[in-house]
Amino acid sequence: EAAVTQSPRNKVTVTGGNVTLSCRQTNSHNYMYWYRQDTGHGLRLIHYSYGAGNLQIGDVPDGYKATRTTQEDFFLLLELASPSQTSLYFCASSDWGRAETLYFGSGTRLTVL
Amino acid sequence: QQKVQQSPESLSVPEGGMASFNCTSSDRNFQYFWWYRQHSGEGPKALMSIFSDGDKKEGRFTAHLNKASLHVSLHIRDSQPSDSALYFCAASEPSNTDKVVFGTGTRLQVSP
Repeated sequence: EAAVTQSPRNKVTVTGGNVTLSCRQTNSHNYMYWYRQDTGHGLRLIHYSYGAGNLQIGDVPDGYKATRTTQEDFFLLLELASPSQTSLYFCASSDWGRAETLYFGSGTRLTVL
Repeated sequence: QQKVQQSPESLSVPEGGMASFNCTSSDRNFQYFWWYRQHSGEGPKALMSIFSDGDKKEGRFTAHLNKASLHVSLHIRDSQPSDSALYFCAASEPSNTDKVVFGTGTRLQVSP
């Protein structure tokens, strides 16, 4: 089964703070995704990537940057964190091709005070 | 507006019972559907996919898709306490399957 590792598991920061969430997948998948999960909204797509150096905009990108440095590593950056970004963040990966299954990490719970 | 709507929000069934989930898309471009399950403290995991009209059965799980009505359902027979989790419907367009949209989820509680 695909392995997707997120770090940190929990993060607390203050309003205006700078946060980087990390994700690594070790199954040579081409696609990587960042979602946020909030009660009443389900999972919402922030950014995704086809491969190293590529970035695609998701459905809720405001306030977030992302960078795919290698095929394995995908980072989510919050440069001026706000309380509205308090959420559970998931990274996922999938293989190249059509209609592939997403493999998710265990999540990072971010609290912005 | 949420493009993928799920109902009910929560569901409680006795052990051994049938659990049924519903999902409707408001976007006619969504033709591919998945069901994911998320246990507490974990990330979602794919249960099954369905891309064609009709039923698809995998063990105790049966999915049904009606593309004309943009409705997909999931049924779990002989529900077990270990099935207690949050269930998500997900959808994508055939021409853009790298962008997957999730519904709001249905929480299932199976009581022994």
